[in-house]
Amino acid sequence: KAGVTQTPRYLIKTRGQQVTLSCSPISGHRSVSWYQQTPGQGLQFLFEYFSETQRNKGNFPGRFSGRQFSNSRSEMNVSTLELGDSALYLCASSRLAGGTSTDTQYFGPGTRLTVL
Amino acid sequence: TQLLEQSPQFLSIQEGENLTVYCNSSSVFSSLQWYRQEPGEGPVLLVTVVTGGEVKKLKRLTFQFGDARKDSSLHITAAQPGDTGLYLCAVVERTGTASKLTFGTGTRLQVTL
Repeated sequence: KAGVTQTPRYLIKTRGQQVTLSCSPISGHRSVSWYQQTPGQGLQFLFEYFSETQRNKGNFPGRFSGRQFSNSRSEMNVSTLELGDSALYLCASSRLAGGTSTDTQYFGPGTRLTVL
Repeated sequence: TQLLEQSPQFLSIQEGENLTVYCNSSSVFSSLQWYRQEPGEGPVLLVTVVTGGEVKKLKRLTFQFGDARKDSSLHITAAQPGDTGLYLCAVVERTGTASKLTFGTGTRLQVTL
């Protein structure tokens, strides 16, 4: 079956702009988690959505937000972009509430965001 | 302070060599996962270890969970160029009914011919 897809794969924005990233989970998966990956901070959890509800949120400012639709597809938005927001944004899906030791999370290839 | 510290950060070896990567913490975990991330891709789950002292093998990769469930190691025998990538350990952190994956600092492995 098709894996997790993320669009766009690459994005270049300037400071102050906003950006929306999209994630389509594996068919049948109801949980979508978002992560930010940078060389300095590594892979950090942003938030998780399950059945259109945000179940968990990481330590990121309110400029980072997300939502999930009834078909489990998810979007994340970053407003008022800063240089430090340049990163690889990864989406992961799982059948159940994400991050359990018995329910595998499947990651997409990520969206590479560059803020100039 | 990082919950999970991995060492070494970088490793460059030749094909055929053996290597060990470590994942350490001062906390006790109910389980620990290892992922590999190749360039341009997201992390892929390799294994989940659950029991203290547990050893799991995946072809040339051997994973061990420490007896006290605070640390883990990944040993690769006769490394191949296809093993090149970023190796990440991760644990599930739970807060009430919510949970999330917390990743280690990562070990970047390069295997050359």
